[in-house]
Amino acid sequence: KNQVEQSPQSLIILEGKNCTLQCNYTVSPFSNLRWYKQDTGRGPVSLTIMTFSENTKSNGRYTATLDADTKQSSLHITASQLSDSASYICVVSPFGDTGRRALTFGSGTRLQVQP
Amino acid sequence: NAGVMQNPRHLVRRRGQEARLRCSPMKGHSHVYWYRQLPEEGLKFMVYLQKENIIDESGMPKERFSAEFPKEGPSILRIQQVVRGDSAAYFCASSPQTHYGYTFGSGTRLTVV
Repeated sequence: KNQVEQSPQSLIILEGKNCTLQCNYTVSPFSNLRWYKQDTGRGPVSLTIMTFSENTKSNGRYTATLDADTKQSSLHITASQLSDSASYICVVSPFGDTGRRALTFGSGTRLQVQP
Repeated sequence: NAGVMQNPRHLVRRRGQEARLRCSPMKGHSHVYWYRQLPEEGLKFMVYLQKENIIDESGMPKERFSAEFPKEGPSILRIQQVVRGDSAAYFCASSPQTHYGYTFGSGTRLTVV
């Protein structure tokens, strides 16, 4: 079972609408949680990074929240644009970043914004 | 300041040939990570290297795959005797510290025919 589960797997919304993507994780203890955006055919690009002590982080129209007690994170996209169409990936880093444990990636949510 | 550079962007190999994928990390980054992404799937960790050292290769297949990050030059992911199942996008990331401030390259898309 993957230690980082994302939902929904895919989502279609109309341009201008808001949406929220979910991430549940079991990685414990963890150091930080990141959200990446991956455009088709491109490498992932970091949107936000939060430590376990933070519960919200914004980057423009993207706002990530974190509840370390329930091990849940969400990514909220406001006033969606066509360019938001991409995969959004939740990534959890184990505590200590000792170098011997790799980041754990979720399988991503594919978002399609339609005009 | 160029980002993480991967080449080639696209690579086609016949079954049984060797594939060499190159990754030049960002300037000042001494940590390199390789990931594989199969179509419609998430990124899977393969290997983590620092200069001249393999730190974690727990995600590397035991056979045919190898990686290096020499003192000079790019990191190389080498796949010997490729099979159709090796067809995937291979991404490299680099960071200045362990797992901190990851930056990904644009990937190499390997197609085995």
